[in-house]
Amino acid sequence: EPEVTQTPSHQVTQMGQEVILRCVPISNHLYFYWYRQILGQKVEFLVSFYNNEISEKSEIFDDQFSVERPDGSNFTLKIRSTKLEDSAMYFCASSTGREDYGYTFGSGTRLTVV
Amino acid sequence: GQSLEQPSEVTAVEGAIVQINCTYQTSGFYGLSWYQQHDGGAPTFLSYNALDGLEETGRFSSFLSRSDSYGYLLLQELQMKDSASYFCAATGSARQLTFGSGTQLTVLP
Repeated sequence: EPEVTQTPSHQVTQMGQEVILRCVPISNHLYFYWYRQILGQKVEFLVSFYNNEISEKSEIFDDQFSVERPDGSNFTLKIRSTKLEDSAMYFCASSTGREDYGYTFGSGTRLTVV
Repeated sequence: GQSLEQPSEVTAVEGAIVQINCTYQTSGFYGLSWYQQHDGGAPTFLSYNALDGLEETGRFSSFLSRSDSYGYLLLQELQMKDSASYFCAATGSARQLTFGSGTQLTVLP
């Protein structure tokens, strides 16, 4: 069964450093997303990406965040200057655009900012 | 914006039926989905309702009433492996999902 692949699975970084989280969505999917989940809390929407541009972003997705699809397979989330409160599990997801098929989520990257 | 309310915890025994309710307040609502998450792992899609009524997928069913801004997930013939967190999620205009806070289901032997 096709999977969304995320790397790394864990990342520890110092406050103020830049991090790049990587994702390989399912190849025939058209819509790509980043979500985050702070430990013990709900999953929160960050950004959606379609046709090589951002289609929607949340209030969380401020100027410190950016996304890129540098080639036909990878989808990245960059945090320019990490803060302690950025510590969370970051999930990448992709979909065909048909809501009745749902999203496929990756296994996540656990980001810890120290 | 959107907000979704669901119970924080539900407990049931193996073989039983359990219903997890979800009420929502939204603007730009397109449909309601349900996801399962084991121990902070990847959320897994269970079902989606765009129209009023019941959708059945094996042991799981989901219901939506747009007029009542209400939906539920029904799990039948509960198994130990069904112990997990269950999230309702509303689809917005850009296909983004707004998740509820999740319901921790514990299945007892």
